[in-house]
This record gives sequence, structure tokens and C-alpha cells, in this order.
Amino acid sequence: EDQVTQSPEALRLQEGESSSLNCSYTVSGLRGLFWYRQDPGKGPEFLFTLYSAGEEKEKERLKATLTKKESFLHITAPKPEDSATYLCAVQPYNYGQNFVFGPGTRLSVLP
Amino acid sequence: GAGVSQSPSNKVTEKGKDVELRCDPISGHTALYWYRQSLGQGLEFLIYFQGNSAPDKSGLPSDRFSAERTGGSVSTLTIQRTQQEDSAVYLCASSLGPRGLAKNIQYFGAGTRLSVL
Repeated sequence: EDQVTQSPEALRLQEGESSSLNCSYTVSGLRGLFWYRQDPGKGPEFLFTLYSAGEEKEKERLKATLTKKESFLHITAPKPEDSATYLCAVQPYNYGQNFVFGPGTRLSVLP
Repeated sequence: GAGVSQSPSNKVTEKGKDVELRCDPISGHTALYWYRQSLGQGLEFLIYFQGNSAPDKSGLPSDRFSAERTGGSVSTLTIQRTQQEDSAVYLCASSLGPRGLAKNIQYFGAGTRLSVL
């Protein structure tokens, strides 16, 4: 069964303290992996798509990387406004257009 | 508007009543998804529409749930005889369509928070 797990469940950082979030997946074939950010009371906001192992994408303080079994979202020198829940989703080949979402990592960045 | 619009933003109903949730996708997006997000849980896929094709209803949890999409645009998710376990945030997303990986990026609405008393 296709599955996505994320760790840690929650993470507290001091402003400027870099860290990484993990997304591990088991799928029969990966069409794409997506990272989203979700603020309280809002819908998820698209951040990155990764398609093949070794690929990397960057946006401001965020960098996403992909291997054959997992993806990392690296946060460099975070600021309080980076506080949010970060969701990972995979689109398996055998699911047509369906996506499997992980439970998310709740990030808090303290000033 | 430029984004996905959902209404109402909040809905409180009594157990046993029917509710309708509405989604206006981004203009030109042919794909539309409904998800359910319970407190502290990931997004649970409910249903997927693509153009005029038959919808993928494989995620609907029971026959009390149904959805339609009129004219390839606006969609309505209907929950009949609501139960307390239906309480959740219902999210709608749209994307350009299935062809080409970049077109699979989903853009989400703010959701409808449903509370069943």
C-alpha cells in the first residue's frame, strides 16, 4: 500500500536555527513529490515539486531534496514567519491523478 | 477571483441534516479535487473530476457523500444525514489537468469547516 510518513510531528526552532524536515514514502512508482505549506485556517500553499532522485529545488530559506525513498525540506536560518505546517504529498503512477498526503510537520520558529 | 473559492467558510449543522459545500476552481483548470482534513490528520482524498470524464469517487467514505461538477467548473459536495464524525475541514483544489507533470500542481481553497452537533 502506498504510504507517506513525515517526521518529526512537531518541531520548535529558535530564529536562525537551521534544521530539516523528513518525508518518507513507499510507492510502487513515483510520478512526483510535492511540498506544501499550510497556515492555520488556510488551505495548503504549493512550495515545490520534485520528480526524480537527486533533484533539488530552492526558494528563499527553503530547499527541497529527493532520494528514491525520501525527501527533505531544509530550512536555513528560519524566521518566525516560517512557522506553519509543512505537508508532503506523492503522486504514485498507479493512482492516476490521486495523491497521497503525509500527516505534516508542525514547525514553530521562536523569535 | 484569482484563486480557488469555497463557501461557506464555516458551517454548523445538526446531526441528521444535509449540507452542501461549494467550490469555485481557478478559471481554466480542468481538474478538481475534494479532500477532508480532520484535526491533526493529513488530507484524505474524497473525489476527483477531470474535464467531462466520469469522476473518480474511490475516496468517498460512504454513500451519504456525493459530489457533482456542473459545466466543468463549479463543484458541490453534498453530505446527507450528517454524523458527528463528518466534522472536519473540507478542502477543494484545482489544477490545470493531467497532461504534463507541472500541470499536476494543485491550488487549494481555504476550506469549509464543518461542525456537526
